[in-house]
Amino acid sequence: EPEVTQTPSHQVTQMGQEVILRCVPISNHLYFYWYRQILGQKVEFLVSFYNNEISEKSEIFDDQFSVERPDGSNFTLKIRSTKLEDSAMYFCASSEGSATNEKLFFGSGTQLSVL
Amino acid sequence: DAKTTQPTSMDCAEGRAANLPCNHSTISGNEYVYWYRQIHSQGPQYIIHGLKNNETNEMASLIITEDRKSSTLILPHATLRDTAVYYCIAPGGADGLTFGKGTHLIIQP
Repeated sequence: EPEVTQTPSHQVTQMGQEVILRCVPISNHLYFYWYRQILGQKVEFLVSFYNNEISEKSEIFDDQFSVERPDGSNFTLKIRSTKLEDSAMYFCASSEGSATNEKLFFGSGTQLSVL
Repeated sequence: DAKTTQPTSMDCAEGRAANLPCNHSTISGNEYVYWYRQIHSQGPQYIIHGLKNNETNEMASLIITEDRKSSTLILPHATLRDTAVYYCIAPGGADGLTFGKGTHLIIQP
């Protein structure tokens, strides 16, 4: 079965540094997402991306965050200046259509630790 | 997303059917109900979804009441690997899914 792949599986960074989390969505999917989960808390929506632009974002997705689909296969999440509270598991997901009526496929996540 | 309400936790014996309820009394007529699960901090996994009719796939069955205000996810023969947090979600018009706290299902040997 096709799957969403994420790299790296673990990332450790110093506060204030920039990090880029990478994802390869399923090849024929058109919608792409980032979610995060702080340890012990709920899975939180960050952003959705369709047709090369952000279609929806949450309050969490502030100016420190950006997303990009640089080459038609990768989908990246950049955090410009990491804070301690950015430590979380970050999940990428993709779907054929909108989450309203299509299932999402999630990757196995990148555990980000900000020191 | 329509608000959904699920029990915090449930136990089920291995080999028995696990029945997970969800209330979604504010769901609108064209909103699907989706079920996902998350096994120990792995990425959420799609299970099943439905609109009005009951649905069945290789993983589970979904029973939706006629008034669509509640639904039940059924895992027919639960195994230890089904221990997970199960989320009932009604996405509505949003692109992003809203995950609640879900139901922590524990399968007992």
